[in-house]
Amino acid sequence: QSVLTQPPSVSAAPGQKVTISCSGSSSNIGNNYVSWYQQLPGTAPKLLIYENNKRPSGIPDRFSGSKSGTSATLGITGLQTGDEADYYCGTWDTSLSGVFGTGTKVTVV
Amino acid sequence: QVQLQESGPGLVKPSETLSLTCTVSGYSINNGYYWGWIRQPPGKGLEWIGSIYHSGNTYYNPSLKSRVTISVDTSKNQFSLMLSSVTAADTAVYYCARIVGATLARVDFWGRGALVTVSS
Repeated sequence: QSVLTQPPSVSAAPGQKVTISCSGSSSNIGNNYVSWYQQLPGTAPKLLIYENNKRPSGIPDRFSGSKSGTSATLGITGLQTGDEADYYCGTWDTSLSGVFGTGTKVTVV
Repeated sequence: QVQLQESGPGLVKPSETLSLTCTVSGYSINNGYYWGWIRQPPGKGLEWIGSIYHSGNTYYNPSLKSRVTISVDTSKNQFSLMLSSVTAADTAVYYCARIVGATLARVDFWGRGALVTVSS
């Protein structure tokens, strides 16, 4: 069971904005970088955001990340049908283990 | 471009040991980074299994630690996962990955994943 909590699902119309929260504790998010991953159906996860708010080369600026205290947020603006996927946050925990969020399914309605 | 490829049996019997190997191309494991395993049961979320540095330093998920061994073979540019005493709950897609930083700063390259089913 994950120690990072995300909403099971979020949805919005094309062109709109969605935000996905990732709630943890001082044992994980509070003292470590957060990364975000996009998993399209049937594929491996892909790195979207690292070190809380940085984008790897090739990731559009429609994707943004932030962190405050023991929570982190992923934002997606200008929502597209191709953004329909599962999204996961990830970080390190003081148990000396990596941890991932419960995952959020984004639906474009 | 860094590429990772998982290989190993797709079917393992209950109580036996699951064994997977990840072959890395496009980058030498000896040059740094941590290398790890992450799994995803069907229809469920990601679970971090553990990671290893080329020197052999390892980190394991506490919930799996008693059953997991991750090793590295730098001569073959491979690293491996062994998970003992498996049950149906260990059925999952197993991903190998490159991890930046000991503290999971990011997973920047992933394998395509290997489905392992535990069944008699």
